[in-house]
Amino acid sequence: NAGVTQTPKFRVLKTGQSMTLLCAQDMNHEYMYWYRQDPGMGLRLIHYSVGEGTTAKGEVPDGYNVSRLKKQNFLLGLESAAPSQTSVYFCASSYRDSGGYQPQHFGDGTRLSIL
Amino acid sequence: KQEVTQIPAALSVPEGENLVLNCSFTDSAIYNLQWFRQDPGKGLTSLLLIQSSQREQTSGRLNASLDKSSGRSTLYIAASQPGDSATYLCAVRGTGRRALTFGSGTRLQVQP
Repeated sequence: NAGVTQTPKFRVLKTGQSMTLLCAQDMNHEYMYWYRQDPGMGLRLIHYSVGEGTTAKGEVPDGYNVSRLKKQNFLLGLESAAPSQTSVYFCASSYRDSGGYQPQHFGDGTRLSIL
Repeated sequence: KQEVTQIPAALSVPEGENLVLNCSFTDSAIYNLQWFRQDPGKGLTSLLLIQSSQREQTSGRLNASLDKSSGRSTLYIAASQPGDSATYLCAVRGTGRRALTFGSGTRLQVQP
């Protein structure tokens, strides 16, 4: 059982380039999230999705776009990369049942450097 | 806006000690609170989740408590081991929110 898989694991970009980070989950979870983690700042929510075809903005959405065309995939796009977007990006998924919102499961992260 | 604080930022203890990690949050209207472990270069692993109606959760040597009225949670680790060395993060889900607000974490080092 793979859980949450993120690709790529590492990437170096030049300022102004664009790229897409892919997150895939095999747990049939409804909810998916993109976070970024910067030193000393914990994780901050970029965008999230509550189901196929739906997305919503999080705490730090500027400069990013997302799409959830299939339930198992959540894509994060950088339109024009900036050095301030150098970070570690984490994807997570979860679901809700009669017991409430269940724990979020995280991928291993994508380490992105913008030069 | 919810703010989550974890103190201390780093902690070093000898093997075998019982220890407590602290988490505080500013808005007591929470849905649940989750404790995670993060190893260097890795993602987050969920340790314990406490729903707002619960006071504590236990898993093996770990015990997490929640006091909503005071905006605090503690993670108790019994008989610490070198393998417990990692960063521990707490995260809060507010009512009406579908995502988590994270603290900055406590980096724990257990000395053999």
